[in-house]
Amino acid sequence: GAVVSQHPSRVICKSGTSVKIECRSLDFQATTMFWYRQFPKQSLMLMATSNEGSKATYEQGVEKDKFLINHASLTLSTLTVTSAHPEDSSFYICSGRPPTVYNEQFFGPGTRLTVL
Amino acid sequence: RKEVEQDPGPFNVPEGATVAFNCTYSNSASQSFFWYRQDCRKEPKLLMSVYSSGNEDGRFTAQLNRASQYISLLIRDSKLSDSATYLCVVRQAAGNKLTFGGGTRVLVKP
Repeated sequence: GAVVSQHPSRVICKSGTSVKIECRSLDFQATTMFWYRQFPKQSLMLMATSNEGSKATYEQGVEKDKFLINHASLTLSTLTVTSAHPEDSSFYICSGRPPTVYNEQFFGPGTRLTVL
Repeated sequence: RKEVEQDPGPFNVPEGATVAFNCTYSNSASQSFFWYRQDCRKEPKLLMSVYSSGNEDGRFTAQLNRASQYISLLIRDSKLSDSATYLCVVRQAAGNKLTFGGGTRVLVKP
């Protein structure tokens, strides 16, 4: 299957700092990538859909000014959590879909963010 | 009401036994259905798609009931390695947006 990587895998930061998470499709071009968040013992919640070369589409309740998404190339999308607070601590996962694969999304290994 | 609902479990299953669980979805226009598996602190991985006629992949059998709006997963001859959280995932008719259920935790014990 297609491979998606994320970096960093784990980050601990102080409250008020910004954190950038990278999502890369390693062996396919992803015109669309998705960003999810998963709190402990809860399911994945879609935050936004990242479209290459255009603005991301955010889900209801997700602040676009706090969670900045950039999808500048067909293999890279970034999520920046600005002015992070402890309540932003979560597991952030991205996924991508190869253009030739209709039904499946391939997930990155996730980034565990802890804000102190 | 949540769009996709699952019994959180855990289902404690003796090794070698059969376990089955369901997932209900609220949007009758949902188009595609999947079961994903998620191990602790890892990303979800596709276990199998669910087709209208039902489908089987080794020890795993998935069924779809559109009239009652639920899908099911059955695991036969459970292995210790089957211990995981099983996520029911639904794709809506428009776009590629996936909606995840809360997951059903399965613990297979010797």
